[in-house]
Amino acid sequence: AQSVSQHNHHVILSEAASLELGCNYSYGGTVNLFWYVQYPGQHLQLLLKYFSGDPLVKGIKGFEAEFIKSKFSFNLRKPSVQWSDTAEYFCAVTPMFSGGYNKLIFGAGTRLAVHP
Amino acid sequence: SAVISQKPSRDICQRGTSLTIQCQVDSQVTMMFWYRQQPGQSLTLIATANQGSEATYESGFVIDKFPISRPNLTFSTLTVSNMSPEDSSIYLCSVAVRGKSYNEQFFGPGTRLTVL
Repeated sequence: AQSVSQHNHHVILSEAASLELGCNYSYGGTVNLFWYVQYPGQHLQLLLKYFSGDPLVKGIKGFEAEFIKSKFSFNLRKPSVQWSDTAEYFCAVTPMFSGGYNKLIFGAGTRLAVHP
Repeated sequence: SAVISQKPSRDICQRGTSLTIQCQVDSQVTMMFWYRQQPGQSLTLIATANQGSEATYESGFVIDKFPISRPNLTFSTLTVSNMSPEDSSIYLCSVAVRGKSYNEQFFGPGTRLTVL
């Protein structure tokens, strides 16, 4: 079965530190890749997405992610975090089977706390 | 994109009762989904709501516990039946927008359910 692994469950950083959250998936075919963010008390929002083309994708609020097909990875990065980035981050993958609907599979999430 | 609303936004219910959650989309969509997010956990797909036919349930979820209706292309309901405290979760509706090479889901704000 397809799965998504997020290696860091809890990350604590100081403001201005750099961030990298790992995400790996287990599916050898074509995939769509997503990072979602859930701020405290708010609903799930799309941070960025990859469908095809340039493997380095840029999202909102200065986030970016790089798709490395050979490593089955889609790590999220931000060069300098802010206190307002405190949130839970979910990596999600849609294996693109031909025909039928394509399920969105979520990782367990990474809870990020940024201290001023 | 799609704008999704859910009712109620939150509720506190007694054990043994049932709650019906509504999901309304601002445009016609083919695919609608229901997810559960238990406290401190990631999102788990409950079922795909199919218009004009029975919902497709994921492993571990059954129609008797989570009956779903999908009367048209903009509306769906999820009922949580015979509730127990273990059903305390956030329930989210999502819709999928598909193109030739992409499959993206948009999420509603969620319904926070507490069962006493």
